[in-house]
Amino acid sequence: SYVLTQALSVSVAPGRTASITCGGNNIGTKSVHWYQQKPGQAPVLVISYDSDRPSGIPERFSGSKSGNTATLTISRVEAGDEADYYCQVWDSSSDHVVFGGGTKLTVL
Amino acid sequence: QVQLVEYGGGLVKPGGSLRLSCAASGFSFSDYYMHWVRQAPGKGLEWVSYISSSGAAMYYADSVKGRFTISRDNAKNSLYLQMSSLRADDTAVYYCVRGRESDYWGQGTLVTVSS
Repeated sequence: SYVLTQALSVSVAPGRTASITCGGNNIGTKSVHWYQQKPGQAPVLVISYDSDRPSGIPERFSGSKSGNTATLTISRVEAGDEADYYCQVWDSSSDHVVFGGGTKLTVL
Repeated sequence: QVQLVEYGGGLVKPGGSLRLSCAASGFSFSDYYMHWVRQAPGKGLEWVSYISSSGAAMYYADSVKGRFTISRDNAKNSLYLQMSSLRADDTAVYYCVRGRESDYWGQGTLVTVSS
């Protein structure tokens, strides 16, 4: 089955840039979606279809892909960005939705 | 505005059954694929099942296949998950989620499987 790999944790100082990666075989052929989840809350879509930002999501959030890796970049990180972040794809070979294991972003 | 409200969670014994429901509003329900996604306590997100907009196609995670059944009633703007042969590792918050890109999530309903 298809696997998405994320680092367990990323730490960044306020005002700096955070990069959260999501690795998967041939991920370039799939659409990647990113979610932010704060404690006790439901996930929120922050990036869809690799790099589209839904309405209401700050421009500081951006998405990209290169090779077998997709990246969520958060510029000018704020304390309020501290959360778990998950990537997700649709695996057409199995008709399954696949989530990465999640990355905990800590703002120092 | 888009709203997804899950209900039907609760405490159930191992081997028991439970039916979750999700009431959708604020959008054309019959136009969207719908999913169930769960999250065990302190763990990550796990996709459970999805159903096509018409209800003709349904897919399941290997962990629930043969035990869970997803369905929908487009006339009632409702999504369902019938869960049977429940196990302790099915304990989780279950979210109702809209669309292929999972753009809207409900607040979730907690299912606890314990004796």
